[in-house]
Amino acid sequence: DAGVTQSPTHLIKTRGQQVTLRCSPKSGHDTVSWYQQALGQGPQFIFQYYEEEERQRGNFPDRFSGHQFPNYSSELNVNALLLGDSALYLCATRLAGGEETQYFGPGTRLLVL
Amino acid sequence: RKEVEQDPGPFNVPEGATVAFNCTYSNSASQSFFWYRQDCRKEPKLLMSVYSSGNEDGRFTAQLNRASQYISLLIRDSKLSDSATYLCVVKTGGFKTIFGAGTRLFVKA
Repeated sequence: DAGVTQSPTHLIKTRGQQVTLRCSPKSGHDTVSWYQQALGQGPQFIFQYYEEEERQRGNFPDRFSGHQFPNYSSELNVNALLLGDSALYLCATRLAGGEETQYFGPGTRLLVL
Repeated sequence: RKEVEQDPGPFNVPEGATVAFNCTYSNSASQSFFWYRQDCRKEPKLLMSVYSSGNEDGRFTAQLNRASQYISLLIRDSKLSDSATYLCVVKTGGFKTIFGAGTRLFVKA
């Protein structure tokens, strides 16, 4: 059984560009949350998707948007990239049925130059 | 004031030592509490959930004090492999999960 997977593993972009990150949940998981982790900080909650809808959002601007597909995979899109968007982007998925534990993917390291 | 606050450390301890980490949270309506472990350049992994009655898993003991809005993690008989960053995690009402900035632990031989 594959764990949570994310692609790409690393990405370099320049300011003003747009980026799409992808997350595939573990089998049986239906909820996907996205986090941004800057160097030396804890993960910051961006938003959560469930049943293809954004269910809750953290303090991130509208440049950050997402999508969840019928197979429960998810995308995170960031428009008009800023230098400060450089971070590790983590997705975490949760088992259907409401178990609290989140399982994290290995993350995508984004560098904005 | 941050919603979840932790002592950033680092804590440098010898093998076999007992070390305790503390965490405070600001939202009294918070419902669920966890400790996650994150190794360098890796993703966070659940270490243990924290229950009101306190809970223990081998060398690890977690405590919750709702009145003081305080969570703790105690590691006994530290091993070299315990070296990592320990993240305090609080789930508020709704679906938002808040991570502390983490406490770094270095266990030395």
